[in-house]
Amino acid sequence: SQQGEEDPQALSIQEGENATMNCSYKTSINNLQWYRQNSGRGLVHLILIRSNEREKHSGRLRVTLDTSKKSSSLLITASRAADTASYFCATARLVLQKLVFGQGTRLTINP
Amino acid sequence: KAGVTQTPRYLIKTRGQQVTLSCSPISGHRSVSWYQQTPGQGLQFLFEYFSETQRNKGNFPGRFSGRQFSNSRSEMNVSTLELGDSALYLCASSSDGIRSTGELFFGEGSRLTVL
Repeated sequence: SQQGEEDPQALSIQEGENATMNCSYKTSINNLQWYRQNSGRGLVHLILIRSNEREKHSGRLRVTLDTSKKSSSLLITASRAADTASYFCATARLVLQKLVFGQGTRLTINP
Repeated sequence: KAGVTQTPRYLIKTRGQQVTLSCSPISGHRSVSWYQQTPGQGLQFLFEYFSETQRNKGNFPGRFSGRQFSNSRSEMNVSTLELGDSALYLCASSSDGIRSTGELFFGEGSRLTVL
């Protein structure tokens, strides 16, 4: 079963707008990661946030983590057409020794 | 540094056949994980190898197997193929040592179609 669940499943916005995707999970984690996948390609790691961190930035990406609510959000600011992709959150628990991926959010940026 | 290389990229098989997929990790990475991606089930963990040993395994039938060689290259095999095995098979390598929870570097995947 999936550990993380992304919301929304699909998101369509205009170029230049901000995009926010959310991820909820069920059990305690060591870290949470976000990945991007362009259609039919491999996944690309975007950012990792540890359980003792609350916010992290990388370029136009901002990730927050709320361990009390077991949720995370990924914000992409000033979106570009090239940001069109599926975005997955993945949770890591030491006891499982693996990453468990959510179902993903399909983001479409309209020019 | 070269990335993760998966071969073949595309293949078509018929039910009952078997298939072997190959993955060459990033140089120096000793951990290789395999995932199956389908529209219905999403990304499902198959197994992970570290230094030629299977360190973790997902909930897949015994038809799915894998191995890792001393140069860290990995192969996965699916025997007696079923229509439901049609999927994108993704390999990922990691520089993790003891822990398997760090950043994964993915290959482009092998798209398997079973007819």
